[in-house]
Amino acid sequence: AQSVTQPDIHITVSEGASLELRCNYSYGATPYLFWYVQSPGQGLQLLLKYFSGDTLVQGIKGFEAEFKRSQSSFNLRKPSVHWSDAAEYFCAVGAGQAGTALIFGKGTTLSVSS
Amino acid sequence: EAGVVQSPRYKIIEKKQPVAFWCNPISGHNTLYWYLQNLGQGPELLIRYENEEAVDDSQLPKDRFSAERLKGVDSTLKIQPAELGDSAVYLCASTSGPSGGELFFGEGSRLTVL
Repeated sequence: AQSVTQPDIHITVSEGASLELRCNYSYGATPYLFWYVQSPGQGLQLLLKYFSGDTLVQGIKGFEAEFKRSQSSFNLRKPSVHWSDAAEYFCAVGAGQAGTALIFGKGTTLSVSS
Repeated sequence: EAGVVQSPRYKIIEKKQPVAFWCNPISGHNTLYWYLQNLGQGPELLIRYENEEAVDDSQLPKDRFSAERLKGVDSTLKIQPAELGDSAVYLCASTSGPSGGELFFGEGSRLTVL
């Protein structure tokens, strides 16, 4: 079955500390992988996406993610977290073809402490 | 370029009442999605449209939910009658071929059923 697992429901990180959010997927075809962020009361905003090529992808707001096929993982990282990064983060997988739906994980809530 | 527009942003109704949500996708995006997001969960697909055709409505509870996309642009999602368990955020997203599978989301319509 196609699915996305985000093992961490809630993570708290000190401001300025590094961050890693985990994502594991199960997908029958070549996966196209996405990380979205959702602030309270807002829609989902794309942080970054992986289609092919370099397995380390850079996104907006200083985020990056690494695709590891052998581990079926696509973990999101940021070297130094800012208070404004507090939000809900969703990993998603799709077929990469126009029109196919994305399958989302349940999300990880990030809190940033001062 | 305008993003995906949804209305209303918030709706409070009594159970058994009808409710409708409207979505205007990004201009030129022929694929439109309605996702359901329960509190603390990731988005789950309700229905996908290719132009005016519903090509995947397998997750839409058809006994009370209906949707339409007249002329292949705007879309309306209706619930009649609403139940307490329908309280959630209803997200609309759109995409096109060149987007490579990336979905663009609206801010969502938050429904509270009392």
